[in-house]
This record gives sequence, structure tokens and C-alpha cells, in this order.
Amino acid sequence: DAGVIQSPRHEVTEMGQEVTLRCKPISGHNSLFWYRQTMMRGLELLIYFNNNVPIDDSGMPEDRFSAKMPNASFSTLKIQPSEPRDSAVYFCASSPPREGRTYEQYFGPGTRLTVT
Amino acid sequence: GEDVEQSLFLSVREGDSSVINCTYTDSSSTYLYWYKQEPGAGLQLLTYIFSNMDMKQDQRLTVLLNKKDKHLSLRIADTQTGDSAIYFCAESGYWTALIFGKGTTLSVSS
Repeated sequence: DAGVIQSPRHEVTEMGQEVTLRCKPISGHNSLFWYRQTMMRGLELLIYFNNNVPIDDSGMPEDRFSAKMPNASFSTLKIQPSEPRDSAVYFCASSPPREGRTYEQYFGPGTRLTVT
Repeated sequence: GEDVEQSLFLSVREGDSSVINCTYTDSSSTYLYWYKQEPGAGLQLLTYIFSNMDMKQDQRLTVLLNKKDKHLSLRIADTQTGDSAIYFCAESGYWTALIFGKGTTLSVSS
């Protein structure tokens, strides 16, 4: 299996632009997680989906952030408009069905976002 | 709310043992985990322990859990330069997502 796939790996954009990050989870996994990592705040959970349904989006910083999971093999995280403070590495992770247990999260390589 | 605390840095010499410590606040935590992040990569699950266990050993890794003190540790025996990375402690309840600590940067010198 190719693992969790994220694109792009790097994104540089100007303040005010829309940014879309993409994730393909591992086939057969039914939970998907979006994280943001910065030096100051560490690793933060933004949102997670179970069976394509958003379960907890309390970590989404503000209305500029939105996430969708239209099917089991694809998710997007969108920032509109982007701001310099959104600069971070964004990780997607997926986990297989475990009757509620969420261990064995498999992380993608991340997207490094720089907003100038 | 739930919180997971770790020291930020640990420096050891090659061949020594490394001990990375973590404390958590959620007494209902069901699973506790250690993840490893190498430069430029995502997190990789190293090991996990169920909350009714005290210890788990897996080759060079030993996890100790003191549930009363809400303290978790990861011991790496015979530390190698390839073990240099950031190590994250995390906890979860039965139905909740993971809560991660800020990570401990392990530096191994030869």
C-alpha cells in the first residue's frame, strides 16, 4: 500500500489567496484526521471524520478553514482567505475500523504551507 | 481539558539508554501511545499501551505506565544515532481522537 498520500508537499502562497490541501487515506481505513504542526503550538487536531462524516471540528481555528470528505478515498482542507499565521505543516492521518479505538493512526508526509 | 506534557529536549550518547517522560491529565484515558517523527516526515506509531497495563516491552523499547500518577515513559535501550527524532506521547479515550504532547527532541551523539 502507498500509505496516506498528501498533495501538494509544499505550497507557497500570498496572503488572501485560497489554499486547498488534499489527502488520500489508506484504502479500507474509515477514519481520517487533519492536524496542523507548528513550533509554537505543536501538533493540533483540526478535524476528524468517521465514515466520511465530520465527528469533531472543534479544532478548526476559524471560519476561514473548512474540510470535506466527499468519499472514503478523498478529503480536502481549504483555507480561504489564507493568512501568514496559517503557515505550518498540515498532516493528514487515517486509521482502520477499530470499534472506536483510534490507535494506529497512519500519517501522511505532510504539506508544508507558507503564506507570505 | 485534556493535556499531555513532555520535556522538550533530551540529549544522550550513542549506546546509552534514553528515557522520555510524559504526563497526562485525563484519568479516563484508555490508550497511551508513543509516536516518532523523523525530519521531514509524518508521525509513525512506535508502540502503545492499554491503560490496564503497567509495562510493555518491544525489542529495545520499554513503556512504563504509572496510572496513579498519570505518568508514561519510553525507554530506548542502546540508543543509536538513527533514533534521533522527535518523540510524541499521546492519549485517547475509547471513543475520542488522540491528544498529543508537544514532542521531545532526542539528540544522539556518537
